[in-house]
Amino acid sequence: KAGVTQTPRYLIKTRGQQVTLSCSPISGHRSVSWYQQTPGQGLQFLFEYFSETQRNKGNFPGRFSGRQFSNSRSEMNVSTLELGDSALYLCASSDQGRRNIQYFGAGTRLSVL
Amino acid sequence: QKEVEQNSGPLSVPEGAIASLNCTYSDRGSQSFFWYRQYSGKSPELIMFIYSNGDKEDGRFTAQLNKASQYVSLLIRDSQPSDSATYLCAVIGSQGAQKLVFGQGTRLTINP
Repeated sequence: KAGVTQTPRYLIKTRGQQVTLSCSPISGHRSVSWYQQTPGQGLQFLFEYFSETQRNKGNFPGRFSGRQFSNSRSEMNVSTLELGDSALYLCASSDQGRRNIQYFGAGTRLSVL
Repeated sequence: QKEVEQNSGPLSVPEGAIASLNCTYSDRGSQSFFWYRQYSGKSPELIMFIYSNGDKEDGRFTAQLNKASQYVSLLIRDSQPSDSATYLCAVIGSQGAQKLVFGQGTRLTINP
């Protein structure tokens, strides 16, 4: 079974631009969560989608948004990029029947210049 | 007080010895506990999960949970150089759902 797939793997953007990241979960997994990892703050929860609905949201500004499609694929969008948005963005998928076990994709490394 | 706390290390252990990694959490209603391993430049990889008090063993890895003390640990027996990585403790709190709360991670180095 294929794992969680994130695209693109690397991105370089400038301040003020916007970016869209994509995540395809493990086949059969309907829950997709997004996390941001930085050296200073560690791994922080952004939001979680299940059946095209956002169920949980972390403490991030409204510039961070996401959505989920009917095939469970998810995208997250960051608008008006700031230097501090430079991070590794990780997507994790979960099979609800396995008690919240989340499997991570390889991540998208975003650099904001 | 951070929700999930780990000693950031680095923790240095000789090859073949037991590595002991510790984690405490603040939400007494937490239900699910996970250990992830992260190699430099890579994404977190699930190593162990535990839900009930006591020990859970999988190969060279043992997870230990003590809910009364709000403490979870990971033991790695017969440590190998390939175990050198950052180990992340993660907890799903009383609010449930899919929100993993991570500690800062412990950097482990196994010395040949």
